[in-house]
Amino acid sequence: GAGVSQSPSNKVTEKGKDVELRCDPISGHTALYWYRQRLGQGLEFLIYFQGNSAPDKSGLPSDRFSAERTGESVSTLTIQRTQQEDSAVYLCASSLGGSGGYTFGSGTRLTVV
Amino acid sequence: LAKTTQPISMDSYEGQEVNITCSHNNIATNDYITWYQQFPSQGPRFIIQGYKTKVTNEVASLFIPADRKSSTLSLPRVSLSDTAVYYCLVRSSARQLTFGSGTQLTVLP
Repeated sequence: GAGVSQSPSNKVTEKGKDVELRCDPISGHTALYWYRQRLGQGLEFLIYFQGNSAPDKSGLPSDRFSAERTGESVSTLTIQRTQQEDSAVYLCASSLGGSGGYTFGSGTRLTVV
Repeated sequence: LAKTTQPISMDSYEGQEVNITCSHNNIATNDYITWYQQFPSQGPRFIIQGYKTKVTNEVASLFIPADRKSSTLSLPRVSLSDTAVYYCLVRSSARQLTFGSGTQLTVLP
């Protein structure tokens, strides 16, 4: 597609439930990133995929968070046993790699109640 | 890792030029400087990127002094729609860690 697509745009879940967030990057973009943004805060790096290399998971806050990417296409971010502090906007971005700029999706607003 | 420091907020009036400066004292040789704009409920949007001296596009200019330890984003003749958070980012490769808190620019009528 023309841009980075994320779904769902909004998700409300009960504490303790698992959620799965989806990101469709721009076709041809080899690099894909997940960020978290809490209300009024900056962007917090979570995980980075580059082609077929092992992902950089250094930003994942706990083992409840995981992400997968199939080749150079769709990625899913899974949060298990959600907690209220997981409430945030989860943003996905893709880039051609190297020093190119990112293109961000509109994010998924996750609310844990 | 090049840490960046920006003012938390700035106010301006419509039609004025706005300059937002970012400090990155430990920038590495291979690092580029990139600026993003973010509106509420949207993902950040790429504005401009540079390595040294001056870069200009249809939206903004980026000034980088010779020592590259700071950079200044210049927005000419701002309008109300330029009210947003502006992030300065320093990176040397596709890998990226954390954006800073950014600068909240408020344009007043």
